[in-house]
Amino acid sequence: GAGVSQSPSNKVTEKGKDVELRCDPISGHTALYWYRQRLGQGLEFLIYFQGNSAPDKSGLPSDRFSAERTGESVSTLTIQRTQQEDSAVYLCASSLRVSSGGRTDTQYFGPGTRLTVL
Amino acid sequence: GQQLNQSPQSMFIQEGEDVSMNCTSSSIFNTWLWYKQDPGEGPVLLIALYKAGELTSNGRLTAQFGITRKDSFLNISASIPSDVGIYFCAGQLGGTYKYIFGTGTRLKVLA
Repeated sequence: GAGVSQSPSNKVTEKGKDVELRCDPISGHTALYWYRQRLGQGLEFLIYFQGNSAPDKSGLPSDRFSAERTGESVSTLTIQRTQQEDSAVYLCASSLRVSSGGRTDTQYFGPGTRLTVL
Repeated sequence: GQQLNQSPQSMFIQEGEDVSMNCTSSSIFNTWLWYKQDPGEGPVLLIALYKAGELTSNGRLTAQFGITRKDSFLNISASIPSDVGIYFCAGQLGGTYKYIFGTGTRLKVLA
């Protein structure tokens, strides 16, 4: 597709269940980011991938959160044993490449997955 | 997680008025970005700033990278109803790939 896609668009789950959120970046984009956005808040950085590697996982809130990326394409964010405080919109973004200090390639965001933990 | 101080939190303005919002931080950033987010959508990049003091325009939007590299502002001139949305600033920490986002400014334009 032309843009970043995420699935599902909405997910309602019960406390304690595991969930998987999927991100399909723009084809050819080597960098991929996951963010969490709580209601009325800004975006909270979770993790980024350069290719299939995740050099910085420091934003993951706990060991219940994990992410992987395969084929330098699709990424999955997994939340185990979900808690009510995990309820948020999870946004994925991709860019051509990651740069630090120099020009930043534009991050293109997907529409997000709204997760509700009951 | 860490977030930038962004103000105002929300504003109601009349169509045709100019709007100004800003972000401040105690940290130094290499890059400042400004995004707009519509309901149910992901943020869309409006303006990117790469050097201290840089002033960049995109149509009715103007943004500046503060001299101290710790702040940035966004101006919208002659606002129109479709400017409604949430505006976020984001700063890239020097030497890292991490972006820190502001808390957002919710803009409502009264026709």
